[in-house]
Amino acid sequence: KQEVTQIPAALSVPEGENLVLNCSFTDSAIYNLQWFRQDPGKGLTSLLLIQSSQREQTSGRLNASLDKSSGRSTLYIAASQPGDSATYLCAVPQGGSEKLVFGKGMKLTVNP
Amino acid sequence: EPEVTQTPSHQVTQMGQEVILRCVPISNHLYFYWYRQILGQKVEFLVSFYNNEISEKSEIFDDQFSVERPDGSNFTLKIRSTKLEDSAMYFCASRVSLGVPEAFFGQGTRLTVV
Repeated sequence: KQEVTQIPAALSVPEGENLVLNCSFTDSAIYNLQWFRQDPGKGLTSLLLIQSSQREQTSGRLNASLDKSSGRSTLYIAASQPGDSATYLCAVPQGGSEKLVFGKGMKLTVNP
Repeated sequence: EPEVTQTPSHQVTQMGQEVILRCVPISNHLYFYWYRQILGQKVEFLVSFYNNEISEKSEIFDDQFSVERPDGSNFTLKIRSTKLEDSAMYFCASRVSLGVPEAFFGQGTRLTVV
């Protein structure tokens, strides 16, 4: 059974810092991994999907990497801004299934 | 930009009542999902739906839950007799196909059972 872990659960940083958010998963037989952003009381916004054949995927100031063999993904946020404050979740497909298994998320606060 | 829309944004219901949560997936998407997130907990899968039938469901999705695509645009989740523990944020999601894995989620319906 796939388990997804995100550590730490929360992070508070000053504006301008470059950040690395971590995601680990137990079953490395995945086809892809998706990063989401969730604002308080709101829905999930897809940020990046990285395929298992890719090592990196970039969108603006965001860069996601995937290392299947070690069961890890990182989301790199460059030059963080207060508007980046949100909870960031990673999700992977359960093996042999369509369903996504989510981590609990990491709550990011970027202070001006 | 196309998006998944959900209504209502917030629903309060009395225990034992039936509720229907509504979703309009992105128009060319073929795979539809419901997830839920109990406050402070992980987002968890409920059910997937393709070609007008359930393709997969979790152990949470028991007989009190049902899904339907009554027309070409709407996708609904019905909870027949709500319990206090059904209080959660319910998310609808859709995908173009299994070959295009990115899932798009709606803004959610916050269900409060009192």
